[in-house]
Amino acid sequence: DSGVTQTPKHLITATGQRVTLRCSPRSGDLSVYWYQQSLDQGLQFLIQYYNGEERAKGNILERFSAQQFPDLHSELNLSSLELGDSALYFCASSVGQGTWYEQYFGPGTRLTVT
Amino acid sequence: ILNVEQSPQSLHVQEGDSTNFTCSFPSSNFYALHWYRWETAKSPKALFVMTLNGDEKKKGRISATLNTKEGYSYLYIKGSQPEDSATYLCAFPPHNNAGNMLTFGGGTRLMVKP
Repeated sequence: DSGVTQTPKHLITATGQRVTLRCSPRSGDLSVYWYQQSLDQGLQFLIQYYNGEERAKGNILERFSAQQFPDLHSELNLSSLELGDSALYFCASSVGQGTWYEQYFGPGTRLTVT
Repeated sequence: ILNVEQSPQSLHVQEGDSTNFTCSFPSSNFYALHWYRWETAKSPKALFVMTLNGDEKKKGRISATLNTKEGYSYLYIKGSQPEDSATYLCAFPPHNNAGNMLTFGGGTRLMVKP
């Protein structure tokens, strides 16, 4: 158990809908990261927050947005869902924001869009 | 576009065999190299973060080396055990001024037969 929690574990929704994925980092960690893993692709970095501020952005779609709250938990919002958004979404956390910090991954949320 | 390549894609070994796999990354602008272990139905777990050319890190029967000048890292497993079966991922931050955004390789899937 990494200490990172994600809810829900599974989510099934229809195209066009909007969902929110939630992540609580390890105690003491200030950075939160979101990754997407689709069937035909490896882990793709979406976005990083550090202490409430956006710190790095990957190829995150405009339909996706995220935020980190004062209590350091983070939410990833996915809207106008398409079939291709079906994937495993991981949240990870680290103590700091630099490249030398290892990231601790949560169990993931499996999103199925039908 | 940053390219992180891992080889081989998959590897089948017998229990007790020692094995190694490779991660290749661009040698210019090196910041850090991460190794993660990902067991089926679980989440990725950090093994090592390496930052210096010539770095060698060890955790039990698993060790890694780093050559930043030629752009590669080796992961070694001595005396493989069935519980070592997993996908081993390496990841590379493409920038030093963009937080801890990681680009992951496709992984090497190791299967250890008893």
